[in-house]
Amino acid sequence: QVQLVESGGGVVQPGGSLRLSCAASGFTFSSYGMHWVRQAPGKGLEWVAFIRYDGSNKYYADSVKGRFTISRDNSKNTLYLQMNSLRAEDTAVYYCAKDAGYCSSTSCHKGAFDIWGQGTMVTVSS
Amino acid sequence: AIRMTQSPSSLSASTGDRVTITCRASQGISSYLAWYQQKPGKAPKLLIYAASTLQSGVPSRFSGSGSGTDFTLTISCLQSEDFATYYCQQYYSYPQTFGQGTKVEIK
Repeated sequence: QVQLVESGGGVVQPGGSLRLSCAASGFTFSSYGMHWVRQAPGKGLEWVAFIRYDGSNKYYADSVKGRFTISRDNSKNTLYLQMNSLRAEDTAVYYCAKDAGYCSSTSCHKGAFDIWGQGTMVTVSS
Repeated sequence: AIRMTQSPSSLSASTGDRVTITCRASQGISSYLAWYQQKPGKAPKLLIYAASTLQSGVPSRFSGSGSGTDFTLTISCLQSEDFATYYCQQYYSYPQTFGQGTKVEIK
């Protein structure tokens, strides 16, 4: 079945690093853009980053720009989020999500987030 | 960044009620608007995309409308499983942004 499974969360000290992974199955991973979205405890959803299906375009939220890097390995059906210089305010559940949009030979079409992983918790604390 | 403002932030309703949640964008986003449902401890679930298109498998009591800056999510006959938090999201431009959420509670 269509599934996204995150891993790599944990407790890290301020200033530390962590790499999250998101394993995809049940769909053609290499054909879709992917996102990371986070949710701080008791708070709403915050979009974090996007990577195009082929890795050619990446976008970041201002709050993580320069500290986080999104990447993907289409041969392994896996999405990554490298998080450096972590701060207390990065504490959150991190979700990966599949973009329902697609690209044809002539254009790309925007999409909502139709598949979500279960989330992985990242806690930044000394 | 485009700001998404939902109202109300919370509401109390009874099973069988008709519920309406509104979402306003700080600038025009055409119909690039989605609605998600989230239950405690769970990932969000896509309900509606393109402002009014029901995601496959979502009950028909959910409906969406609007374009430009003003959007609405309606639950026509609230069921027990609909008590949750609902978020709107614009995917018109980056950074993509979510509304602050509307918690639907049992009266």
